[in-house]
Amino acid sequence: GAGVSQSPRYKVAKRGQDVALRCDPISGHVSLFWYQQALGQGPEFLTYFQNEAQLDKSGLPSDRFFAERPEGSVSTLKIQRTQQEDSAVYLCASIEGASYNEQFFGPGTRLTVL
Amino acid sequence: GENVEQHPSTLSVQEGDSAVIKCTYSDSASNYFPWYKQELGKRPQLIIDIRSNVGEKKDQRIAVTLNKTAKHFSLHITETQPEDSAVYFCAALKPLVSGGYQKVTFGTGTKLQVIP
Repeated sequence: GAGVSQSPRYKVAKRGQDVALRCDPISGHVSLFWYQQALGQGPEFLTYFQNEAQLDKSGLPSDRFFAERPEGSVSTLKIQRTQQEDSAVYLCASIEGASYNEQFFGPGTRLTVL
Repeated sequence: GENVEQHPSTLSVQEGDSAVIKCTYSDSASNYFPWYKQELGKRPQLIIDIRSNVGEKKDQRIAVTLNKTAKHFSLHITETQPEDSAVYFCAALKPLVSGGYQKVTFGTGTKLQVIP
Protein backbone atom coordinates (compact mmCIF):
# COMPACT_ATOMS: atom_id res chain seq x y z
CA GLY A 1 0.00 0.00 0.00
CA ALA A 2 1.18 3.47 0.85
CA GLY A 3 4.62 4.27 2.15
CA VAL A 4 5.72 4.71 5.74
CA SER A 5 3.59 7.23 7.57
CA GLN A 6 4.22 9.06 10.81
CA SER A 7 2.00 11.11 13.06
CA PRO A 8 1.85 13.77 14.15
CA ARG A 9 3.99 15.55 11.57
CA TYR A 10 4.64 18.39 13.99
CA LYS A 11 4.53 18.42 17.76
CA VAL A 12 5.18 21.28 20.13
CA ALA A 13 5.59 20.29 23.74
CA LYS A 14 6.30 22.20 26.90
CA ARG A 15 9.35 21.09 28.81
CA GLY A 16 8.41 18.24 31.12
CA GLN A 17 5.50 17.06 29.03
CA ASP A 18 5.26 13.47 27.75
CA VAL A 19 4.89 12.85 24.00
CA ALA A 20 4.07 9.83 21.85
CA LEU A 21 5.12 9.57 18.23
CA ARG A 22 3.56 7.00 15.93
CA CYS A 23 5.00 5.13 12.98
CA ASP A 24 3.00 3.06 10.49
CA PRO A 25 5.47 1.03 8.43
CA ILE A 26 4.75 -0.42 5.04
CA SER A 27 2.43 -3.38 5.53
CA GLY A 28 4.34 -6.59 6.00
CA HIS A 29 7.71 -4.98 6.62
CA VAL A 30 9.58 -6.96 9.22
CA SER A 31 12.23 -4.48 10.29
CA LEU A 32 11.60 -1.05 11.77
CA PHE A 33 14.08 1.60 12.84
CA TRP A 34 13.73 4.86 14.74
CA TYR A 35 16.18 7.71 14.22
CA GLN A 36 16.68 11.16 15.69
CA GLN A 37 17.83 13.86 13.27
CA ALA A 38 18.98 17.16 14.69
CA LEU A 39 19.06 20.19 12.40
CA GLY A 40 21.92 19.93 9.92
CA GLN A 41 22.96 16.49 11.10
CA GLY A 42 22.60 12.96 9.84
CA PRO A 43 20.03 10.61 11.33
CA GLU A 44 21.19 9.05 14.61
CA PHE A 45 20.10 5.49 15.29
CA LEU A 46 17.78 5.09 18.28
CA THR A 47 16.34 1.59 18.17
CA TYR A 48 15.58 -1.39 15.93
CA PHE A 49 12.67 -3.86 15.87
CA GLN A 50 12.39 -7.13 14.05
CA ASN A 51 8.67 -7.83 14.13
CA GLU A 52 7.65 -7.16 17.75
CA ALA A 53 11.09 -7.85 19.17
CA GLN A 54 13.23 -4.85 20.06
CA LEU A 55 16.63 -6.23 19.14
CA ASP A 56 18.67 -3.11 19.78
CA LYS A 57 17.82 -0.08 21.88
CA SER A 58 21.34 1.05 22.54
CA GLY A 59 20.83 4.34 20.69
CA LEU A 60 18.10 5.61 22.99
CA PRO A 61 19.70 8.62 24.71
CA SER A 62 18.16 8.14 28.16
CA ASP A 63 15.61 6.15 30.08
CA ARG A 64 13.08 8.87 29.25
CA PHE A 65 12.89 7.33 25.77
CA PHE A 66 10.84 4.20 25.24
CA ALA A 67 9.74 2.43 22.06
CA GLU A 68 7.36 -0.40 21.43
CA ARG A 69 5.90 -2.40 18.56
CA PRO A 70 3.54 -4.78 20.35
CA GLU A 71 1.98 -6.46 17.31
CA GLY A 72 4.89 -6.22 14.96
CA SER A 73 3.39 -3.47 12.82
CA VAL A 74 2.70 0.02 14.22
CA SER A 75 5.39 1.39 16.50
CA THR A 76 5.29 4.15 19.08
CA LEU A 77 8.22 6.17 20.38
CA LYS A 78 7.45 7.74 23.73
CA ILE A 79 9.48 10.48 25.35
CA GLN A 80 8.79 11.25 28.98
CA ARG A 81 9.50 14.57 30.69
CA THR A 82 10.69 16.17 27.45
CA GLN A 83 13.74 18.43 27.52
CA GLN A 84 14.80 21.11 25.06
CA GLU A 85 17.61 18.91 23.77
CA ASP A 86 14.96 16.42 22.61
CA SER A 87 13.93 18.90 19.89
CA ALA A 88 14.64 17.18 16.57
CA VAL A 89 13.00 15.35 13.70
CA TYR A 90 12.21 11.76 14.59
CA LEU A 91 12.34 9.48 11.57
CA CYS A 92 10.97 6.00 11.25
CA ALA A 93 12.10 3.58 8.54
CA SER A 94 11.08 0.06 7.60
CA ILE A 95 12.65 -2.76 5.61
CA GLU A 96 10.76 -5.55 3.92
CA GLY A 97 12.71 -8.42 5.38
CA ALA A 98 15.12 -9.07 8.16
CA SER A 99 18.16 -8.97 5.92
CA TYR A 100 19.58 -5.95 4.25
CA ASN A 101 17.48 -4.15 1.73
CA GLU A 102 16.25 -0.66 1.00
CA GLN A 103 15.05 1.29 4.03
CA PHE A 104 11.89 3.26 3.35
CA PHE A 105 11.70 6.37 5.48
CA GLY A 106 8.64 8.08 6.82
CA PRO A 107 8.24 11.88 6.57
CA GLY A 108 9.30 12.34 10.17
CA THR A 109 7.81 14.07 13.18
CA ARG A 110 9.33 17.44 14.01
CA LEU A 111 9.33 17.79 17.79
CA THR A 112 9.90 21.21 19.32
CA VAL A 113 10.25 21.41 23.08
CA LEU A 114 9.76 24.87 24.51
CA GLY B 1 30.96 0.74 17.65
CA GLU B 2 30.87 1.91 14.07
CA ASN B 3 32.12 5.37 13.17
CA VAL B 4 31.36 6.84 9.76
CA GLU B 5 33.14 9.97 8.59
CA GLN B 6 31.96 11.88 5.54
CA HIS B 7 33.73 14.54 3.50
CA PRO B 8 33.33 17.23 2.39
CA SER B 9 30.59 18.80 4.47
CA THR B 10 29.73 21.20 1.66
CA LEU B 11 30.41 20.98 -2.05
CA SER B 12 29.66 23.46 -4.82
CA VAL B 13 30.02 22.46 -8.45
CA GLN B 14 29.10 23.96 -11.77
CA GLU B 15 26.25 22.34 -13.65
CA GLY B 16 27.64 19.56 -15.82
CA ASP B 17 30.68 18.93 -13.63
CA SER B 18 31.17 15.84 -11.49
CA ALA B 19 30.78 15.62 -7.72
CA VAL B 20 32.51 13.14 -5.43
CA ILE B 21 31.63 12.51 -1.80
CA LYS B 22 33.72 10.19 0.35
CA CYS B 23 32.99 8.16 3.47
CA THR B 24 35.15 6.03 5.71
CA TYR B 25 33.96 3.47 8.22
CA SER B 26 35.66 1.75 11.10
CA ASP B 27 33.90 -1.59 11.65
CA SER B 28 35.02 -4.29 9.23
CA ALA B 29 31.79 -6.22 10.00
CA SER B 30 29.75 -3.58 8.16
CA ASN B 31 28.68 -5.01 4.82
CA TYR B 32 25.97 -2.80 3.37
CA PHE B 33 26.51 0.82 2.37
CA PRO B 34 23.58 2.89 1.13
CA TRP B 35 23.61 6.52 0.01
CA TYR B 36 20.65 8.80 0.67
CA LYS B 37 19.57 12.12 -0.80
CA GLN B 38 17.62 14.43 1.48
CA GLU B 39 16.03 17.60 0.18
CA LEU B 40 15.15 20.32 2.66
CA GLY B 41 12.28 19.25 4.87
CA LYS B 42 11.90 15.93 3.09
CA ARG B 43 12.61 12.34 4.06
CA PRO B 44 15.87 10.63 3.06
CA GLN B 45 15.56 8.78 -0.24
CA LEU B 46 17.84 5.91 -1.21
CA ILE B 47 19.72 6.72 -4.41
CA ILE B 48 22.19 3.85 -4.62
CA ASP B 49 23.64 1.15 -2.41
CA ILE B 50 26.50 -1.31 -2.49
CA ARG B 51 27.19 -4.56 -0.72
CA SER B 52 30.59 -5.62 0.49
CA ASN B 53 31.03 -8.32 -2.13
CA VAL B 54 30.98 -5.71 -4.91
CA GLY B 55 33.59 -3.06 -5.68
CA GLU B 56 31.56 -0.73 -7.85
CA LYS B 57 27.97 -0.12 -8.84
CA LYS B 58 26.56 2.32 -11.36
CA ASP B 59 23.08 3.64 -12.06
CA GLN B 60 22.94 6.20 -14.88
CA ARG B 61 24.75 9.32 -13.61
CA ILE B 62 25.37 7.91 -10.14
CA ALA B 63 28.05 5.45 -9.12
CA VAL B 64 29.40 4.12 -5.86
CA THR B 65 32.80 2.53 -5.26
CA LEU B 66 33.84 0.49 -2.24
CA ASN B 67 37.33 -0.30 -1.00
CA LYS B 68 36.92 -2.88 1.77
CA THR B 69 40.61 -2.98 2.59
CA ALA B 70 40.80 0.74 3.18
CA LYS B 71 37.26 0.85 4.60
CA HIS B 72 36.07 3.67 2.41
CA PHE B 73 33.35 4.18 -0.14
CA SER B 74 32.53 7.06 -2.44
CA LEU B 75 29.58 8.50 -4.29
CA HIS B 76 30.19 9.86 -7.78
CA ILE B 77 27.65 12.02 -9.59
CA THR B 78 28.46 12.90 -13.18
CA GLU B 79 26.91 15.60 -15.37
CA THR B 80 25.42 17.28 -12.32
CA GLN B 81 22.12 19.12 -12.64
CA PRO B 82 20.54 21.79 -10.40
CA GLU B 83 18.01 19.21 -9.16
CA ASP B 84 20.92 17.22 -7.70
CA SER B 85 21.27 19.97 -5.09
CA ALA B 86 20.48 18.42 -1.71
CA VAL B 87 22.16 16.92 1.34
CA TYR B 88 23.67 13.48 0.74
CA PHE B 89 24.25 10.97 3.54
CA CYS B 90 26.24 7.77 3.48
CA ALA B 91 25.53 4.97 5.92
CA ALA B 92 27.05 1.70 7.06
CA LEU B 93 25.11 -1.30 8.30
CA LYS B 94 26.32 -4.48 9.89
CA PRO B 95 24.30 -7.63 10.43
CA LEU B 96 23.23 -9.12 13.72
CA VAL B 97 24.34 -12.70 14.27
CA SER B 98 20.67 -13.62 14.48
CA GLY B 99 19.81 -11.79 11.28
CA GLY B 100 18.56 -8.29 10.64
CA TYR B 101 20.49 -5.10 11.20
CA GLN B 102 21.93 -3.33 14.15
CA LYS B 103 22.96 0.24 14.65
CA VAL B 104 22.77 1.81 11.24
CA THR B 105 25.38 4.54 11.33
CA PHE B 106 25.01 7.57 9.10
CA GLY B 107 27.67 10.01 8.00
CA THR B 108 27.31 13.67 8.89
CA GLY B 109 26.10 14.68 5.45
CA THR B 110 27.34 16.66 2.47
CA LYS B 111 25.42 19.68 1.26
CA LEU B 112 25.77 19.68 -2.51
CA GLN B 113 25.03 22.83 -4.46
CA VAL B 114 24.93 22.64 -8.24
CA ILE B 115 25.30 26.08 -9.73
CA PRO B 116 23.44 26.60 -13.02
